[in-house]
Formats: sequence, C-alpha cells, structure tokens
Amino acid sequence: NAGVTQTPKFQVLKTGQSMTLQCAQDMNHNSMYWYRQDPGMGLRLIYYSASEGTTDKGEVPNGYNVSRLNKREFSLRLESAAPSQTSVYFCASTQRGGSDTQYFGPGTRLTVL
Amino acid sequence: AQSVTQLGSHVSVSEGALVLLRCNYSSSVPPYLFWYVQYPNQGLQLLLKYTSAATLVKGINGFEAEFKKSETSFHLTKPSAHMSDAAEYFCAVSALFSGGYNKLIFGAGTRLAVHP
Repeated sequence: NAGVTQTPKFQVLKTGQSMTLQCAQDMNHNSMYWYRQDPGMGLRLIYYSASEGTTDKGEVPNGYNVSRLNKREFSLRLESAAPSQTSVYFCASTQRGGSDTQYFGPGTRLTVL
Repeated sequence: AQSVTQLGSHVSVSEGALVLLRCNYSSSVPPYLFWYVQYPNQGLQLLLKYTSAATLVKGINGFEAEFKKSETSFHLTKPSAHMSDAAEYFCAVSALFSGGYNKLIFGAGTRLAVHP
C-alpha cells in the first residue's frame, strides 16, 4: 500500500516549456487535490477533483490544467511554464471531504528558469 | 468564509520544554480542524483532527490540541519537546466549496526548532 505517489520528485524547466506532474493513489479515494507550497504562504489549492470525471478550480488555477484520468490518477499540466510557477507541488487524496483526512504525496520540487 | 491564522512563523524551544503552537480559525459553521506536520523534504502527515466528538484531541507523537469555541482557537501542545519534533506545522480548517464539496484551508505554517 503505497498511499499517494508523485512523479517526478524534482524538475527544472525553462520558461515556456511544458510538463505534466503525475499523481496516483491506491486507497480507493474519491477526491483528489493539487496544491502548491510557497514559503510563508502555506498550501494553496490549485485544482481538485471531487470524484472521477469531475474537476474544478481552486484558489490559484491560472496557468495550470488537470486531468482525472481514472479514480486512481490525477495529473497536473503546465502548458507554458513561468518563473512564478517555481514551487513545491503536492497531490492529496481523501475519501470525500469534511472530517475525512487528506493524505499527501511526497511532493514535486519544480524550478522554472 | 473560513480562514486560519497561525501566530508565529518560527518557534524555538529547548529539548524537554513545553511546545505551544497557536492556531485561530474563522468559520461560520462548526468547523473540522486539522494539524499536519511536515518534516524536511517530505509531504504532510496528519497529527490530529477535531471532528466535534471531544474538545481535547490527542494525536501522534505525544501531541494534543484543544478546541475552544469561545476563543476560536485550536492550539497544539506537547509537554516535552524532542529533537525529532523539529519540523513545520500547519493548522487547517475544512471549508465547504460551492457544489457541496469540502476543501482544506491552511495556515501559513509554523516552523518549530528544538535545541539541546
């Protein structure tokens, strides 16, 4: 039982390049989330997927797109990376929400030059 | 709208001393509250959560938190700090999204340093 896995762990991009961050969970959770973490700002929600087949914007969606490929997988795409997207990205999942615990992946550290 | 404020971005204690990390929340409905810990270069791990069953919540690694509605607080404590407690701690409140789904709103975090 691996929990939430993310790939890659580290990535360096040049401005304008694109990439996809992958996330998978093996806990049969319904809801999945993408956050970014920046110093002094806590975690901010980029996109979430309440259930398979649905996605919705969070607090900071600009410059990102997501795909809920199936119940297990939720990917985050940067179409044209910008230096402002330098951050640590975390994927999380939960059964539904409310009082349910969110489980986090180990993160992807992205640097955009 | 729900929000979370963590007082003190950095807290430093001696090994064996009391740990107190402060969290105040704003919520228009009875909240669900969480404390997460993040060790260096790792993801977030749940320490404990308040779901209205009991106001004093015990978590892992000897941590506990008390929900005080009158003070809108959910402070995290540990009687005796250990070197291994050095990490960043995040308080979060569960907020209802339009559409009926929940999300977590995080505080900015408190970095705990423990010195010998």
